[in-house]
Amino acid sequence: DIQMTQSPSSVSASVGDRVTITCRASQDIHNWLAWYQQKPGKAPNLLIWSASALQSGVPSRFSGSGSGTNFTLTISSLHPEDFATYYCQQAGNYPFFGGGTKVDIK
Amino acid sequence: QVQLQESGPGLVKPSETLSLTCTVSGGSIISYYWGWIRQPPGKGLEWLGYSDFGGTTNYNPSLESRVTISADTSKNQFSLKVTSVTAADTAVYYCARSHGGLKYWDRWGQGTPVTVSS
Repeated sequence: DIQMTQSPSSVSASVGDRVTITCRASQDIHNWLAWYQQKPGKAPNLLIWSASALQSGVPSRFSGSGSGTNFTLTISSLHPEDFATYYCQQAGNYPFFGGGTKVDIK
Repeated sequence: QVQLQESGPGLVKPSETLSLTCTVSGGSIISYYWGWIRQPPGKGLEWLGYSDFGGTTNYNPSLESRVTISADTSKNQFSLKVTSVTAADTAVYYCARSHGGLKYWDRWGQGTPVTVSS
């Protein structure tokens, strides 16, 4: 099975900060990677798919990059509504999620 | 706008079978994958499995012996069964739709909490 490892598990940041979250796959997954945002009590929301494609309706301050085994989600300037937990997910036949990264207020 | 809604018992006894249904409105279940994902209290997301409208399925290997997912095109629904449940199966259960033929989940139900307790 392909394991997905996110880092850090949590990050404290301020409004306006640039935030970067990393996801590593245990095997080459090409660009088959998504990023989700989840707020407490809500279902996850797809932000990025195929490593770098921005889902319709998602603000352009979110961007994704990477291929193979190393991927990055970047929030260029943190907005108040961006404090949430973020998950990566590989999109092969076993679409496992990473463990999550909580972005909270510094 | 496609909407998904989970339904089923919120309380299941240990050793029994958990059964949930996801009703899809505003669109057909044909030509997508339909998945189930759960989230134990305070923990991360766990993919359980998926089915397509034709009945092709794939399951999380850690749960494969206990999980069954099936689709009913006549009712525009798909279902989840988890047998022999324990307290570790207590979670919020989400159904989700794939992004076209790619296994990214772009539409989600609101989630339904299930507690396993006697």
